[in-house]
Amino acid sequence: ETGVTQTPRHLVMGMTNKKSLKCEQHLGHNAMYWYKQSAKKPLELMFVYSLEERVENNSVPSRFSPECPNSSHLFLHLHTLQPEDSALYLCASSQEFGNEQFFGPGTRLTVL
Amino acid sequence: QKEVEQNSGPLSVPEGAIASLNCTYSDRGSQSFFWYRQYSGKSPELIMSIYSNGDKEDGRFTAQLNKASQYVSLLIRDSQPSDSATYLCAVNTGTASKLTFGTGTRLQVTL
Repeated sequence: ETGVTQTPRHLVMGMTNKKSLKCEQHLGHNAMYWYKQSAKKPLELMFVYSLEERVENNSVPSRFSPECPNSSHLFLHLHTLQPEDSALYLCASSQEFGNEQFFGPGTRLTVL
Repeated sequence: QKEVEQNSGPLSVPEGAIASLNCTYSDRGSQSFFWYRQYSGKSPELIMSIYSNGDKEDGRFTAQLNKASQYVSLLIRDSQPSDSATYLCAVNTGTASKLTFGTGTRLQVTL
């Protein structure tokens, strides 16, 4: 266990659904990240929050909406997704922005 | 040119041998370097960090960094079947202060 938890672990949703992914870190870290991992592609950084402020948004479509209510929690709100959004979504945290990152177990998302 | 490059493999080594995994990066300003291990269906697990030129050893793992040549490598001594996984190289460029990951090298340790 890395001290980073994610729920749900698996999610199947239709293109018209709205769902949210949750991440919680118990490490006292200041930065949290959302990544997307698709087959045969490198990890793609989606969003970065440092001290609860969004510091990076890597041209992610607006159907993905992050929320960081405090330094321990991070959400990814999903709506009107496309089948190509099916992937493993990983949350990570680090003591400082850009430092060693520790990953949660991920949410395997399937969009039908 | 990819920012972080790794041979996708698979790299096949017999049990007990040394596995050598390589990674090159394009940004000369890179400051920090990390190796992650990812088992199939699981999330990446941090196994080594290296920040200065030279070798860093931790158990069976040795990370090697050569900033002049812009490469970082991971050696796994006495490879075990449980080492079979994909190994991801990640580089922090310092200026962007984010990690850029390679596509990973799949390692297979055979009996």
